[in-house]
Amino acid sequence: KAGVTQTPRYLIKTRGQQVTLSCSPISGHRSVSWYQQTPGQGLQFLFEYFSETQRNKGNFPGRFSGRQFSNSRSEMNVSTLELGDSALYLCASSLDPGSYRDEQFFGPGTRLTVL
Amino acid sequence: AQKVTQAQTEISVVEKEDVTLDCVYETRDTTYYLFWYKQPPSGELVFLIRRNSFDEQNEISGRYSWNFQKSTSSFNFTITASQVVDSAVYFCALRNNAGNMLTFGGGTRLMVKP
Repeated sequence: KAGVTQTPRYLIKTRGQQVTLSCSPISGHRSVSWYQQTPGQGLQFLFEYFSETQRNKGNFPGRFSGRQFSNSRSEMNVSTLELGDSALYLCASSLDPGSYRDEQFFGPGTRLTVL
Repeated sequence: AQKVTQAQTEISVVEKEDVTLDCVYETRDTTYYLFWYKQPPSGELVFLIRRNSFDEQNEISGRYSWNFQKSTSSFNFTITASQVVDSAVYFCALRNNAGNMLTFGGGTRLMVKP
């Protein structure tokens, strides 16, 4: 079974630009979550999507948004990029969110560098 | 609010030594889930184990073992006879019963030297 895939793996943008990252979950998984990892703040939850609806949102500005498609694939968008948005963005998928047997499986991440 | 603390930021051991990674958590929820993930240099978080708050049975899996103690809000992870391939950053994480939001600790960088 293929794991979680994320594209692109690396991205370089300049301040003020916008970026879209893509995540394809494990087949059959309906929940997709996004996390930001930086050396200073560590791993922080961005948002979670389930059945095309945002279920949870972390404490990030409105420049960070996302969506989920009917095939469970998800995209996140960051508008008006700032230097501080440079980070590793990780996507995770899970089969049955809320189930006591559920766990999240992570993709390899997209490393975004903002110049 | 939930919080996960990994007091050890970096641990260095020599191959074949045993090593324990500490994790202390805070939550007001009565039902919650604890996880350990490993992040090798490639960056991908690898799921190691999940423990439910209502299941305090400790577990051993090969060289790995976990000690969950609700009374002290700790969920420690031990690697027996460490190997160089165990070198990675290890994260402890907490999830409550509402959705899939994981709260991560700051991570412990483990370096196993030959």
